[in-house]
Amino acid sequence: DAGITQSPRHKVTETGTPVTLRCHQTENHRYMYWYRQDPGHGLRLIHYSYGVKDTDKGEVSDGYSVSRSKTEDFLLTLESATSSQTSVYFCAISDGAQETQYFGPGTRLLVL
Amino acid sequence: KQEVTQIPAALSVPEGENLVLNCSFTDSAIYNLQWFRQDPGKGLTSLLLIQSSQREQTSGRLNASLDKSSGRSTLYIAASQPGDSATYLCAVKLTSGTYKYIFGTGTRLKVLA
Repeated sequence: DAGITQSPRHKVTETGTPVTLRCHQTENHRYMYWYRQDPGHGLRLIHYSYGVKDTDKGEVSDGYSVSRSKTEDFLLTLESATSSQTSVYFCAISDGAQETQYFGPGTRLLVL
Repeated sequence: KQEVTQIPAALSVPEGENLVLNCSFTDSAIYNLQWFRQDPGKGLTSLLLIQSSQREQTSGRLNASLDKSSGRSTLYIAASQPGDSATYLCAVKLTSGTYKYIFGTGTRLKVLA
């Protein structure tokens, strides 16, 4: 299995609070992604990174920001959490050469 | 806008049966297509990746085909086992110049012993 960890694995927070999720990889892959998975919507891309300090928006980026200061870490921040951001968040990586995406175990976030 | 559809949403089959899962996409200009497996409460595991220039890929009892012109891919599972029970998702990568993947909503497969 690709070396991808996500933290925390579970989080409960209140509406209006900032939340940061961390994705850490040990594969030295260039590309990293944040998705959310919701019933009926499948996986939707929030943001992705194609290198250190290089990021771009996905299809559901409103209310989220990301940062990547090191190859191994990709942070997702909910600036002011809302109940609509209750979801399961997955991080993924790919090396670009083979294009295969490898996924982390996910973070379950509940916003009350 | 690229849309990816997987039908049926759920499928139950007896053990030992050969089965086909379907994935349809609306825009044939894709870079590649990937099939994943997801067990309940877990992340996604990559099964097969087909480049746009390829017609099929095989891994063990799994065979994935790609027909870009018709906007379809199929995942064939031979001699199904209860351990194959999971949700299977397909994802297409848009053409080069972007690193975005569009996922289908998946087919939930149950193989009955």
